Amino acid sequence: KNQVEQSPQSLIILEGKNCTLQCNYTVSPFSNLRWYKQDTGRGPVSLTIMTFSENTKSNGRYTATLDADTKQSSLHITASQLSDSASYICVVSRNSGNTPLVFGKGTRLSVIA
Amino acid sequence: NAGVTQTPKFRVLKTGQSMTLLCAQDMNHEYMYWYRQDPGMGLRLIHYSVGEGTTAKGEVPDGYNVSRLKKQNFLLGLESAAPSQTSVYFCASSWTGDHEQYFGPGTRLTVT
Repeated sequence: KNQVEQSPQSLIILEGKNCTLQCNYTVSPFSNLRWYKQDTGRGPVSLTIMTFSENTKSNGRYTATLDADTKQSSLHITASQLSDSASYICVVSRNSGNTPLVFGKGTRLSVIA
Repeated sequence: NAGVTQTPKFRVLKTGQSMTLLCAQDMNHEYMYWYRQDPGMGLRLIHYSVGEGTTAKGEVPDGYNVSRLKKQNFLLGLESAAPSQTSVYFCASSWTGDHEQYFGPGTRLTVT
């Protein structure tokens, strides 16, 4: 079954600290893996897209890693800010079938002062 | 560029009523999608379109219909709303199925 599992479900960190969010997937065939940020009450916004051959990709203070062999990805946030408070969603693209994207349920991150 | 816009932002329906949600994009994208998002669940694909005049079923298509008469617009219809369709609906668009999807701000629908 095509699934994307994210952990933890929720996380609270102090402003300025780093954190890492995890994503494990069992999706086939694999096309690419995406991380989205979704602020409360808004639509998701893309942070990174990684193909099979990419191990790491950065977008400012966000760094995503991908291990296609173990089917794991992580999103590392450096020097967190209050504005990082959001849900982070891991998405794997199959680019086929009637569910071309398989979405994780997200990790809810709260950054507090 | 406005990106992806959705109309309306909020709506309350009674069971059995019908309505249409409008999605518009100004990025000349070929692909457009309709998702629903429910608490504790990931986004689920309702229907999608790979170009003007085309539509295809996603993961949860029952109770919904769609039309893509113009490339920039993708309409989602509920013919007879049910309380189970209470959700937040997101529209998205992309160049191809492999490219980044751009999401609209969402429509919060409540069916009583």
